Amino acid sequence: QVQLVESGGGLVKPGGSLRLSCAASGFTFSDHYMSWIRQAPGKGLEWVSYISSGSTYTHYADSVKGRFTISRDNAKNSVYLQMNSLRAEDTAIYYCANMGGYQRPFDYWGQGTLVTVSS
Amino acid sequence: EIVMTQSPATLSVSPGERATLSCRASQSVSSNLAWYQQKPGQAPRLLIYGASTRATGIPARFSGSGSGTEFTLTISSLQSEDFAVYYCQQYNDWPPLTFGGGTKVEIK
Repeated sequence: QVQLVESGGGLVKPGGSLRLSCAASGFTFSDHYMSWIRQAPGKGLEWVSYISSGSTYTHYADSVKGRFTISRDNAKNSVYLQMNSLRAEDTAIYYCANMGGYQRPFDYWGQGTLVTVSS
Repeated sequence: EIVMTQSPATLSVSPGERATLSCRASQSVSSNLAWYQQKPGQAPRLLIYGASTRATGIPARFSGSGSGTEFTLTISSLQSEDFAVYYCQQYNDWPPLTFGGGTKVEIK
């Protein structure tokens, strides 16, 4: 079955950096787009970033543009989110999710990893 | 950016009753709309995509309808496991991919 397992979350000071990872299994990873979505405590869902199947295209929410970088390694069935210049408002659970194509929903989600930005 | 608006914010329903949730898009998203269910402490789960197609393993009591800017998620007879938060999301025109603010379905 499809599994997405995030890791790398934790407590970081404002201005710090963190790298999240998402390990995928149970589907043909190299055929799927991947996204990161976050959820601040007690809040709704916010899409953060996307990467195409072959890494040709990436997109970012305005709130993270210039600070976050998404990447993937199809040989390792993994997607990453490098987060720099972290702010308190980046505190959230970060989920990775797969998409079957450009006009496709988020088919499966990982269980999430918590990022807390605080001094 | 396409803004998704869900109503109501909270819906109080008795078990066995019907629940009707609404989602409105600020511009047409055709049928490129999905619904997700999120229970406390869990990740969201895809329920409906293409506005009306149930995802794998989703019970028939969940149904979606609508196109363009107005969408509805109906749960025909609420079971105890259906009390959760429901989000709509458009994937027609992006970036950005956008979600509604959610509707919490609670026990009346």
